[in-house]
Amino acid sequence: DAKTTQPPSMDCAEGRAANLPCNHSTISGNEYVYWYRQIHSQGPQYIIHGLKNNETNEMASLIITEDRKSSTLILPHATLRDTAVYYCIVRVEDNQGGKLIFGQGTELSVKP
Amino acid sequence: NAGVMQNPRHLVRRRGQEARLRCSPMKGHSHVYWYRQLPEEGLKFMVYLQKENIIDESGMPKERFSAEFPKEGPSILRIQQVVRGDSAAYFCASSTGTFKNIQYFGAGTRLSVL
Repeated sequence: DAKTTQPPSMDCAEGRAANLPCNHSTISGNEYVYWYRQIHSQGPQYIIHGLKNNETNEMASLIITEDRKSSTLILPHATLRDTAVYYCIVRVEDNQGGKLIFGQGTELSVKP
Repeated sequence: NAGVMQNPRHLVRRRGQEARLRCSPMKGHSHVYWYRQLPEEGLKFMVYLQKENIIDESGMPKERFSAEFPKEGPSILRIQQVVRGDSAAYFCASSTGTFKNIQYFGAGTRLSVL
């Protein structure tokens, strides 16, 4: 699975959009981009994933560049409860299951 | 629709004792994954199991650790003769194993070795 690079930390004002970048320049054509987050001491929580088209769900939006070498997770209206470590993971989506490889992630602090 | 259930939430053991961590996957999920998070470190994959089979154990320490997922009942992560370095949060995840392989995580078991 391809390696990802994320900034170690970011701040965001409450109510503003949080834009979390991720670089994955060695991504392969069949690898998807997944985002998870871990709120302090809790289990990781799935947020969203995509291949090449932009994706949106009730939690966030995922913007993937045309060359697929980077992506941005957008939390449109960040709240204090969005303070967490956010992990960008690239992996093949197949029917064999398989492990998730977590990097260091981005520690997002949402401030009042 | 209950999520992934792990128990106990907290487990205290003395050095040399055995620790058993349990994980009940989400309804309809037949794939289970165990991850470990050492203090101030990231999440590390340990083992991936399907019912009655170990699919990938590349992250398991070579000694003292074992995992099973029997036909009936929860998945068990067993640590024999625990040492202080085993103190960590252990997370279980489950998935359907089908094409959209989203893994859903439990709240974790925090193991403290005295």
